[in-house]
Amino acid sequence: GAVVSQHPSWVICKSGTSVKIECRSLDFQATTMFWYRQFPKQSLMLMATSNEGSKATYEQGVEKDKFLINHASLTLSTLTVTSAHPEDSSFYICSASTSAVGEEQYFGPGTRLTVT
Amino acid sequence: QKEVEQDPGPLSVPEGAIVSLNCTYSNSAFQYFMWYRQYSRKGPELLMYTYSSGNKEDGRFTAQVDKSSKYISLFIRDSQPSDSATYLCAMRGNTPLVFGKGTRLSVIA
Repeated sequence: GAVVSQHPSWVICKSGTSVKIECRSLDFQATTMFWYRQFPKQSLMLMATSNEGSKATYEQGVEKDKFLINHASLTLSTLTVTSAHPEDSSFYICSASTSAVGEEQYFGPGTRLTVT
Repeated sequence: QKEVEQDPGPLSVPEGAIVSLNCTYSNSAFQYFMWYRQYSRKGPELLMYTYSSGNKEDGRFTAQVDKSSKYISLFIRDSQPSDSATYLCAMRGNTPLVFGKGTRLSVIA
């Protein structure tokens, strides 16, 4: 149980385009979903927290107009990187939890974004 | 001082060794402590979850929390090559998880 999927697993896009990443909880309903970013050999940095049906809460320094998060249902959240630049290239990981503060978060496999 | 400090390693041990991984933290509001294992280019996998001082054992893994010293450990007994991964500590109070940088472990057959 507690499986989280992400799609796509790997995407290459051109600078200036937008990319959408999907995060789904497959066998449970996620009250809260979290989006993280991870650079090589670095830890996970929380970007935003989203609850179904409400606006996401972004961490300090994360541009909400650039990283659009939609939590349309209890099993689906999407992250759209708008007007992507090469410095947005990173590993994006989502996690899902049945609690508001993320007790026992279950992580997706991650999406590797490369912007050329 | 960062909220969570974790030695990034890398740590290399022979198969069968006992591995000790550690994190220190500065925020006394942290109440819940986790250890995640992350294989290369994969998402983290929850290994252990504790919320009280003391030891918690699960198979070859033991998580230890010392809240008075703000120090947590993960011990791996009889380490296997398949344990080679990055191990991340994570902790929280009533806020989202804060992660350590992760320790890269290699178990050599």
